[in-house]
Amino acid sequence: EAGVAQSPRYKIIEKRQSVAFWCNPISGHATLYWYQQILGQGPKLLIQFQNNGVVDDSQLPKDRFSAERLKGVDSTLKIQPAKLEDSAVYLCASSFRGLVDTQYFGPGTRLTVL
Amino acid sequence: AQSVTQLDSQVPVFEEAPVELRCNYSSSVSVYLFWYVQYPNQGLQLLLKYLSGSTLVKGINGFEAEFNKSQTSFHLRKPSVHISDTAEYFCAVRSNFGNEKLTFGTGTRLTIIP
Repeated sequence: EAGVAQSPRYKIIEKRQSVAFWCNPISGHATLYWYQQILGQGPKLLIQFQNNGVVDDSQLPKDRFSAERLKGVDSTLKIQPAKLEDSAVYLCASSFRGLVDTQYFGPGTRLTVL
Repeated sequence: AQSVTQLDSQVPVFEEAPVELRCNYSSSVSVYLFWYVQYPNQGLQLLLKYLSGSTLVKGINGFEAEFNKSQTSFHLRKPSVHISDTAEYFCAVRSNFGNEKLTFGTGTRLTIIP
């Protein structure tokens, strides 16, 4: 069974530029999550999708971050414009149904904002 | 609101020695508890989870954890560690009421000394 795929693995941009990350969850998983993991901290949930609907985006900085999950499969997370404090690893995870199900994580995208 | 505290940011242990990684949580309602492991340059992987039932939970790679409601703790243990256990370990909590998100601790870096 293929795991959660993410791309790119690394990205370096300058502040005020835009960037997008892509995630392909495990086939058949209805729930998809995007987390932000700042160095030295645990992952923080940015947004949770159930199929193609948003369940929780309370911690997503909506003035600069956006995410979509078209057709309830792949998802993209965008930052526009990026700030220095957005430097982090962005993790995508998926689960079969909801939050008590095991979440399977992708390898993450390491973003550096200069 | 819920929170997780991992008091030890780093734990060095000699190979084949036992280890305990501490996790305490705070929540006004009943909770589900999880331990995830993150190997270098990889995504998070579930070690074990407590949903209900027996308070002693066994996971992968010889790890186990015990849920202690009175002490609001969920410490992770392994009787004999190996070099391959070198990784970052995250405790996470989620209340079993509503659609609360998974809240992660700041992590404990386990270093195995040969």
